[in-house]
Amino acid sequence: GAGVSQTPSNKVTEKGKYVELRCDPISGHTALYWYRQSLGQGPEFLIYFQGTGAADDSGLPNDRFFAVRPEGSVSTLKIQRTERGDSAVYLCASSPGAHTEAFFGQGTRLTVV
Amino acid sequence: KQEVTQIPAALSVPEGENLVLNCSFTDSAIYNLQWFRQDPGKGLTSLLLIQSSQREQTSGRLNASLDKSSGRSTLYIAASQPGDSATYLCAVSRSGGGADGLTFGKGTHLIIQP
Repeated sequence: GAGVSQTPSNKVTEKGKYVELRCDPISGHTALYWYRQSLGQGPEFLIYFQGTGAADDSGLPNDRFFAVRPEGSVSTLKIQRTERGDSAVYLCASSPGAHTEAFFGQGTRLTVV
Repeated sequence: KQEVTQIPAALSVPEGENLVLNCSFTDSAIYNLQWFRQDPGKGLTSLLLIQSSQREQTSGRLNASLDKSSGRSTLYIAASQPGDSATYLCAVSRSGGGADGLTFGKGTHLIIQP
């Protein structure tokens, strides 16, 4: 596709369950980012990949959150033992390289009940 | 720690008016600044990107300025239209070491009255 694709668009899960959120970046973009956006707030940085490696994961809130990008394209954000406070919209973005224009997906709305 | 502030938080104006949205940031060590638009329940659409060495960028009815030394940017919208109604977000590049990605403000919720 032409843009950044995120699946699923909506996810409802029970507290304590494990979830995976997928991001398919724009073809050829080496940089990929995950953000979390709560209601009424701006997006909050979680993690940045350059190629296959996580260059900066300083925004991950705790060790329940983990992300991978094994082939330098698609990325998966994984959340273990979900908590109600994890409910938010998770946004993925990609860019051609470091410090270049970022293009965002439509987001995954995660609701933990 | 970088902090980004956007003023006003909300703005409602009649169609046809020119308007200015403000953004300020606390750490001037940035690579670039980007303005986005977000429609309800949607992702972010990039409007303009200004490199740290630039003073302004223009796209159609939009003009963004950057004063890096004072930590300020403005987004000017000319001849506003109802379709401009959205939340406008300002973001600055994270810097230092291998850092990348953006630090965002909370946004300005803009309503253009027909």
